[in-house]
Amino acid sequence: KAGVTQTPRYLIKTRGQQVTLSCSPISGHRSVSWYQQTPGQGLQFLFEYFSETQRNKGNFPGRFSGRQFSNSRSEMNVSTLELGDSALYLCASSSFGGGGVTEAFFGQGTRLTVV
Amino acid sequence: GDSVTQMEGPVTLSEEACLTINCTYTATGYPSLFWYVQYPGEGLQLLLKATKADDKGSNKGFEATYRKETTSFHLEKGSVQVSDSAVYFCALSGDSGAGSYQLTFGKGTKLSVIP
Repeated sequence: KAGVTQTPRYLIKTRGQQVTLSCSPISGHRSVSWYQQTPGQGLQFLFEYFSETQRNKGNFPGRFSGRQFSNSRSEMNVSTLELGDSALYLCASSSFGGGGVTEAFFGQGTRLTVV
Repeated sequence: GDSVTQMEGPVTLSEEACLTINCTYTATGYPSLFWYVQYPGEGLQLLLKATKADDKGSNKGFEATYRKETTSFHLEKGSVQVSDSAVYFCALSGDSGAGSYQLTFGKGTKLSVIP
């Protein structure tokens, strides 16, 4: 069974540009979550999608957005990039989206560098 | 809101030494608890989990027990190996409403094991 696939692995962008990251979850998983990892703030929740609906969003500005397609693949977009957006962006998928016991499987992440 | 506090390290141990990484949490309700491990340049891998009070999660010689009375989930291993060198994250999953699933992470503990 293939794992969670994130593309691209590495990105370098200039301040003010926008970027789109992609995540393909494990087959059959309908919940996809995104996290930002930085040395200063650690791992922070961005948002969660289930069956193409955003069910929860973390405390990030509106420049961060996402969507999920009917095949459960997800994209996240960051507009008007700032230097502080440089981070490792991790995608996680899970087999059901109910609260409580849910095991999340993570991709290898996309390393975004903003210059 | 939910929070996780873990010893930040770094922790340096000799091979075959005992390991304990402390983790305490604050959460409403009855969260599930997890330990994830991150190797250099990689995403997160689930190490073990516990879903209710007094549950013990175990994997690859690592153990952690869900202690509701002390709100703790300390990670232990009796004899570490060089291959255990990585960053370890304690996390909890809480119900964010509308059935949404969200992980809250500690800051991570970097473990280095020397031969």
